[in-house]
Amino acid sequence: EAGVTQFPSHSVIEKGQTVTLRCDPISGHDNLYWYRRVMGKEIKFLLHFVKESKQDESGMPNNRFLAERTGGTYSTLKVQPAELEDSGVYFCASSTPGTSGYNEQFFGPGTRLTVL
Amino acid sequence: LAKTTQPISMDSYEGQEVNITCSHNNIATNDYITWYQQFPSQGPRFIIQGYKTKVTNEVASLFIPADRKSSTLSLPRVSLSDTAVYYCLVGDSFSGSARQLTFGSGTQLTVLP
Repeated sequence: EAGVTQFPSHSVIEKGQTVTLRCDPISGHDNLYWYRRVMGKEIKFLLHFVKESKQDESGMPNNRFLAERTGGTYSTLKVQPAELEDSGVYFCASSTPGTSGYNEQFFGPGTRLTVL
Repeated sequence: LAKTTQPISMDSYEGQEVNITCSHNNIATNDYITWYQQFPSQGPRFIIQGYKTKVTNEVASLFIPADRKSSTLSLPRVSLSDTAVYYCLVGDSFSGSARQLTFGSGTQLTVLP
């Protein structure tokens, strides 16, 4: 079974440009999360979808970030306009309640965003 | 959310047992303790999770004392491929709420030949 995939693996853009990151969760996983790690700091939560609905977007840093999950399948995270401090690695994860009840999250490899 | 404290780094040699301890003094009654592993250029991966006493799976063991204010991840007979960052997380993730994970700084484990 395919794991969580993310595209692109690496993106280099200039300040002020727009970038869209994509995440394809594991098939059948209703929960989809976005996290990011910037400049060697800790991995931080951005937001959580349940199917196509935003369950929790308390971690979104500002209105330059827009996440969507139309149809409850893949998700996109758009940064517009990008700023230097947005550079970092953006992770996507997905989950579904397991038989034991534990909500294990499966992470993708991440997208490394570099804003010049 | 309970804050966790773990060593920044540890070194070990192949074949040794490695124990990484995590402190979580403010753990709540409903919180579970979960450990994730992360290799370079990959996302974190679930290793083990527990609530109290001892949990063992094919990869690791997790020891949790009665007061639950700390926990120890034990990796038996490590190999070079176990070199990674290990994160201790505490939260109420054993539920249908499927909440966010809160990562700390993690412990960089380096296994030497």
